Amino acid sequence: NAGVTQTPKFQVLKTGQSMTLQCAQDMNHEYMSWYRQDPGMGLRLIHYSVGAGITDQGEVPNGYNVSRSTTEDFPLRLLSAAPSQTSVYFCASRPDRRMNSEAFFGQGTRLTVV
Amino acid sequence: DAKTTQPTSMDCAEGRAANLPCNHSTISGNEYVYWYRQIHSQGPQYIIHGLKNNETNEMASLIITEDRKSSTLILPHATLRDTAVYYCIVRAQGGSEKLVFGKGTKLTVNP
Repeated sequence: NAGVTQTPKFQVLKTGQSMTLQCAQDMNHEYMSWYRQDPGMGLRLIHYSVGAGITDQGEVPNGYNVSRSTTEDFPLRLLSAAPSQTSVYFCASRPDRRMNSEAFFGQGTRLTVV
Repeated sequence: DAKTTQPTSMDCAEGRAANLPCNHSTISGNEYVYWYRQIHSQGPQYIIHGLKNNETNEMASLIITEDRKSSTLILPHATLRDTAVYYCIVRAQGGSEKLVFGKGTKLTVNP
């Protein structure tokens, strides 16, 4: 198993550009989520999905869209990039809603918006 | 979900046990204690979790006090590769999907 795979690893965008951060997992996990991590801060939840076709907002959803058409993939779209979206983005998955199911994280995408 | 308090940083000698404390004095009866770590800006890695009994796995041991208001993560023989930020998280049964990582403890393992 590859686990949770994020692409790209690094990206530089100009203000106003759009792009999609890719996240794929091969563990057949129901739950997937996106976090961002800013310097000196913990991770903050952007969006999450509890299964194919179902998504919901986290605590910092503005400026981001998600969709979940398959169990494996959970892309994060930046519609019009802003410097405030410069951050490291992590995708995570976990098997199901059981509270003793651990989360698996990808290696992150480091995004810079200039 | 209950709030947690951890020391900002700790040091440990290589080969010695690293004991990382976490205070969660407002924890409720249905809340689990989870530990994750993040090595040098990599994705967080799950370590261990528990409800009220002590737990051990191949990575670490988790000791939870009887009143469940605090816990200690023990890395029995720390190596240089254990240098990381360690996060203690409390999550409720049926709680939100959000994992609240806080600022964690920066553990430095010294040769």
